[in-house]
Amino acid sequence: ETGVTQSPTHLIKTRGQQVTLRCSSQSGHNTVSWYQQALGQGPQFIFQYYREEENGRGNFPPRFSGLQFPNYSSELNVNALELDDSALYLCASSITSGRSETQYFGPGTRLLVL
Amino acid sequence: LAKTTQPISMDSYEGQEVNITCSHNNIATNDYITWYQQFPSQGPRFIIQGYKTKVTNEVASLFIPADRKSSTLSLPRVSLSDTAVYYCLVLPHNNNDMRFGAGTRLTVKP
Repeated sequence: ETGVTQSPTHLIKTRGQQVTLRCSSQSGHNTVSWYQQALGQGPQFIFQYYREEENGRGNFPPRFSGLQFPNYSSELNVNALELDDSALYLCASSITSGRSETQYFGPGTRLLVL
Repeated sequence: LAKTTQPISMDSYEGQEVNITCSHNNIATNDYITWYQQFPSQGPRFIIQGYKTKVTNEVASLFIPADRKSSTLSLPRVSLSDTAVYYCLVLPHNNNDMRFGAGTRLTVKP
């Protein structure tokens, strides 16, 4: 158990819809990162938030957006869903302190786009 | 960012020591080497992290040669529950772009 929780666990949407995924960080962690993991592949970095500001972004289009709240919980929003967005979405929390810190992953939300 | 290369899959038997080597030829001075383990339908789990020489914890050992262009994760006496995908990552100093490769799928047989 990492103390990182995600909701919902599973979700089915149709093309063109919008989705919001939620993540609750481990207590005391000020940084949250989101990843997309397609079947059989490693997680791909979407973006990271530190103290409510975006702190790095991977190669994902603007329709992937996020928020981090004062209590360090976080949301991932995806607009105009495409079939290829079907994947496991993982969030990971950590403490940013000037060096590479361990990231603690949640169990993920499995999204299916039909 | 440093690219990593590791074997796609490995097989082992219970009780054996398993060594998984990762190449990272263009590692930067401030980069750390980190290994994660992932079971199906779960998020990756941190195993070990190191910068140089050798690091050991209750789960594994990490060997890093002086040139830091490769690293080896050593799992002593594996069990069936060690069957998982193992990822080697070279983390930038600010840790804001973790690049996972395809990982190494380890299968432990009875």
